[in-house]
Amino acid sequence: DSGVTQTPKHLITATGQRVTLRCSPRSGDLSVYWYQQSLDQGLQFLIQYYNGEERAKGNILERFSAQQFPDLHSELNLSSLELGDSALYFCASSVESMTDTQYFGPGTRLTVL
Amino acid sequence: QQPVQSPQAVILREGEDAVINCSSSKALYSVHWYRQKHGEAPVFLMILLKGGEQKGHEKISASFNEKKQQSSLYLTASQLSYSGTYFCGTEFGGSARQLTFGSGTQLTVLP
Repeated sequence: DSGVTQTPKHLITATGQRVTLRCSPRSGDLSVYWYQQSLDQGLQFLIQYYNGEERAKGNILERFSAQQFPDLHSELNLSSLELGDSALYFCASSVESMTDTQYFGPGTRLTVL
Repeated sequence: QQPVQSPQAVILREGEDAVINCSSSKALYSVHWYRQKHGEAPVFLMILLKGGEQKGHEKISASFNEKKQQSSLYLTASQLSYSGTYFCGTEFGGSARQLTFGSGTQLTVLP
């Protein structure tokens, strides 16, 4: 158990819909990272938040957005969903920076039908 | 600029050694290594930083050749629990900090 929690574990939805994935970091960690893992694209970094502020951005689509709240939990919002968005979405947390150990949550499996 | 991992897959017997390589065409700031078992989240193994600093588990060893922009992960006296997919993530310096992961190396350890 990494100490990072993600909800929900599974999500099944239809194309065009919008979903929100939630992540609570380990106690004491200020940075939260979001990753997408799909069979054809592998593990991709989406975005990093540090203490409420966006710090680094990866291959995140414009249809996707994230935020980190004052209690440090984070949400990833995915809108206008397409079949290709079906993937495992991982959240990870670290104390501060990209060069600190990242602890991954169990992931949310999103299926878009 | 996805790093290139090699080999793509390797099968070992318990007790044998393996090396997994990760190469980049761009100058690296750090290299991260993770292991992922099927259906589970990636688990941190090691971070190697430009300049020689390393952070990681005592039983795992790795190298970072800054001139060649290459990192290698050394798995010695492998155990059944080492089976999984190993990913390297590379971080480039500058303002655009992000981790870019390789496609993974599938390691299978047989009894």
